[in-house]
Amino acid sequence: GAGVSQSPSNKVTEKGKDVELRCDPISGHTALYWYRQSLGQGLEFLIYFQGNSAPDKSGLPSDRFSAERTGGSVSTLTIQRTQQEDSAVYLCASSFSWRRVPDEQYFGPGTRLTVT
Amino acid sequence: GDSVTQMEGPVTLSEEACLTINCTYTATGYPSLFWYVQYPGEGLQLLLKATKADDKGSNKGFEATYRKETTSFHLEKGSVQVSDSAVYFCALGGNQFYFGTGTSLTVIP
Repeated sequence: GAGVSQSPSNKVTEKGKDVELRCDPISGHTALYWYRQSLGQGLEFLIYFQGNSAPDKSGLPSDRFSAERTGGSVSTLTIQRTQQEDSAVYLCASSFSWRRVPDEQYFGPGTRLTVT
Repeated sequence: GDSVTQMEGPVTLSEEACLTINCTYTATGYPSLFWYVQYPGEGLQLLLKATKADDKGSNKGFEATYRKETTSFHLEKGSVQVSDSAVYFCALGGNQFYFGTGTSLTVIP
């Protein structure tokens, strides 16, 4: 498909386990974003990748959270030693950025993470 | 730093009523402005955008005008429908992307 895809769509994990969430952006999009959306809340920015530049990690809530983007395409968000407060929908978005000015973002369907 | 402030909800309107959701921003430089919509059970999707001052974005009967003098990008619709019930997010794209907290709209028949 031509859109942003995320996997898995749902993930239930036990407290203390590590989880990996995957995002496949739209081909050719140089910018990739991760957000977290808790129930009834807005979007919380987590991390931003732009081309080959160093990512903007300013939104990561703790050192348990990390993300990488391999080959400028697929990205993986890893949460170590999950806590119940990590339960949320994790959204990925990509955009075609020109001269570091973000263009409109295209969102994936999200991964719903539940930590029990 | 850059930021977006959005009218808090929830907002409940009767069908065919007028809608305004306020959005103001703070930014350096010349950002683009966006409205995103999230329908129940669905992902976020772009509703409309404006890339420079005085531009008007429009889609599905919604409009928003990029006002540099008032640093605003209010979302308006003259006659809402039940199908417009959703959460609306104002967003600013400059050096980074910033989203408002979202405004929930419920339209009742």
